Amino acid sequence: SQKIEQNSEALNIQEGKTATLTCNYTNYSPAYLQWYRQDPGRGPVFLLLIRENEKEKRKERLKVTFDTTLKQSLFHITASQPADSATYLCALDPNTGGFKTIFGAGTRLFVKA
Amino acid sequence: GAVVSQHPSRVICKSGTSVKIECRSLDFQATTMFWYRQFPKQSLMLMATSNEGSKATYEQGVEKDKFLINHASLTLSTLTVTSAHPEDSSFYICSARDSGGQVSGYTFGSGTRLTVV
Repeated sequence: SQKIEQNSEALNIQEGKTATLTCNYTNYSPAYLQWYRQDPGRGPVFLLLIRENEKEKRKERLKVTFDTTLKQSLFHITASQPADSATYLCALDPNTGGFKTIFGAGTRLFVKA
Repeated sequence: GAVVSQHPSRVICKSGTSVKIECRSLDFQATTMFWYRQFPKQSLMLMATSNEGSKATYEQGVEKDKFLINHASLTLSTLTVTSAHPEDSSFYICSARDSGGQVSGYTFGSGTRLTVV
């Protein structure tokens, strides 16, 4: 069955360092991969979308890579700040119409000052 | 950018009563909206796809008579939890995708924390 895996353990890093989160998937052929931020008690907020034919996408301090051979995406936050502390979800959009997007459970990031 | 407004943000109701949750797209038309349920530290679980002017499509295992969905206009979808029980307590979130222009991510509502006592 289709599966997305994100590290369930929280990631703790020091302010100013680069945070790297991983999203792995199996039994899926995504056309797009998305990353969201979710704060406690709130709905997810869309951050970035990367297409299957794109290797890398950047937006300000965020960078996403997408390796369809490894079936993996990496999400980087450079110069991290305490305000970046949140749960980050990845999501896959399938390569067909009439689709269903599936979401990972997310990785909690804590950035310490 | 696209905004989805969801109300209420929190609701406490007695067992056996019904609760309605509204989801509005504020600056775009959403022919399709999605309803999710999320348990602590778990992923979003798609409950149903709400289609404007037609019946919702429910995911396997989701009771359509329990979770009534109405999508009467291009900007409003409602989820009614009927005869709520404590096991229905959860975080419910709606989303929509602005289909105009380039492909983009989903816009989510702020979520509704339902507590059934």
